[in-house]
Amino acid sequence: DAGITQSPRHKVTETGTPVTLRCHQTENHRYMYWYRQDPGHGLRLIHYSYGVKDTDKGEVSDGYSVSRSKTEDFLLTLESATSSQTSVYFCAIGDWGGHKFFGPGTRLTVL
Amino acid sequence: EDQVTQSPEALRLQEGESSSLNCSYTVSGLRGLFWYRQDPGKGPEFLFTLYSAGEEKEKERLKATLTKKESFLHITAPKPEDSATYLCAVLPGNEKLTFGTGTRLTIIP
Repeated sequence: DAGITQSPRHKVTETGTPVTLRCHQTENHRYMYWYRQDPGHGLRLIHYSYGVKDTDKGEVSDGYSVSRSKTEDFLLTLESATSSQTSVYFCAIGDWGGHKFFGPGTRLTVL
Repeated sequence: EDQVTQSPEALRLQEGESSSLNCSYTVSGLRGLFWYRQDPGKGPEFLFTLYSAGEEKEKERLKATLTKKESFLHITAPKPEDSATYLCAVLPGNEKLTFGTGTRLTIIP
């Protein structure tokens, strides 16, 4: 298996609370991505990073922020979680636009 | 706007019954088309990248082909372990992948 992990794997939280999801890689890939996956929608890009401290917005970035202070870690933060952010979140890594590896996912429920 | 449409949404086949999954796309400046397999409760697993019309790639019982408007994932003599959701994604000039919603394939023993 590729060296990519996500934590936590499952989380239940309440509306209005902050939440941080972590993606950790041991593959030294330059690019890291956060997606959400919802029924009826394909994987949708939230934010991505093309290097340490270099990030950019994706298709559905509102309500999310990211940080990357080390090559191996990419954090996704929901500043104030809403029920519409209930989803499965996937991290992906690669060296250019194509993603060779995805993480196992984090299932987030916002009550 | 870049778009990817996969069909059918779901497909049930008998073991050994060959078929094809379709991925049609509109994209500005295709740099690559990707196929992934996703098992329930897991992240997508990379299968193939296709870069130009006419290209084909094979892996075990799967073969992916690409034209200027669509890609096919052909599955030959499938086995129950091929059951999964198959995702297609296109990489346009802005280098942000656009995914289809997938085809859920079920192989019946």
